[in-house]
Amino acid sequence: DIQMTQSPSSMSASIGDTVTITCRASQGISGWLAWYQQKPGKAPRLLIYAASSLQSGVPSRFSGSGSGTDFTLTISSLQPEDFATYYCLLANRFPQFTFGGGTKVEIK
Amino acid sequence: VQLVESGGTLVQPGGSLRLSCAASGFTFSAYSMNWVRQAPGKGLEWVSYISSSSSTIYYADSVKGRFTISRDNAKDSLYLQMNSLSAEDTAVYYCAQADITYYYAMDVWGQGTTVTVSS
Repeated sequence: DIQMTQSPSSMSASIGDTVTITCRASQGISGWLAWYQQKPGKAPRLLIYAASSLQSGVPSRFSGSGSGTDFTLTISSLQPEDFATYYCLLANRFPQFTFGGGTKVEIK
Repeated sequence: VQLVESGGTLVQPGGSLRLSCAASGFTFSAYSMNWVRQAPGKGLEWVSYISSSSSTIYYADSVKGRFTISRDNAKDSLYLQMNSLSAEDTAVYYCAQADITYYYAMDVWGQGTTVTVSS
């Protein structure tokens, strides 16, 4: 099975900061990676699919990059509503879907 | 577009439970679906996938042989039959639409239903 390792597991940042979260696959997965945001008590929200495609309605300060084994979610100019937990997801590699362990972004 | 889960409750170890997910606002029969769970204070874990016609089904190793996913396209409903439950199955269970537009990433999610396995 392909393992998805997300880092860091938590981080502190200030409003206006640029935040970078990394997801590494244990083997090449082409661009079959998605990113989600989850707030406490809520369902996850799709931000990015196919590694770099921004989901409709998601602010442009969110961006994704990478291919193969290394992927990055970048949040430019962090806003108060961006404090949440972020997950990567390996998709489109049947029969397996695998989430990363999550990155909690907290206020510094 | 809405997904509404139901059926979560407190169940004893070794027991069984059937979760349901009612879909509305989209053509349910055209979409693959998933179950995803989240244990208290933990991350997201994919549980199971079913194709639009039920011809293809996958399970996570952690539930294989104990859980059964199914759907009724005439009723716009998705199900998860859970048997031989243990404390490790305690979680919020979400149903989520898998959209080929997003390369099978899950876009639409329900609000979740809570399953607690405890004596």
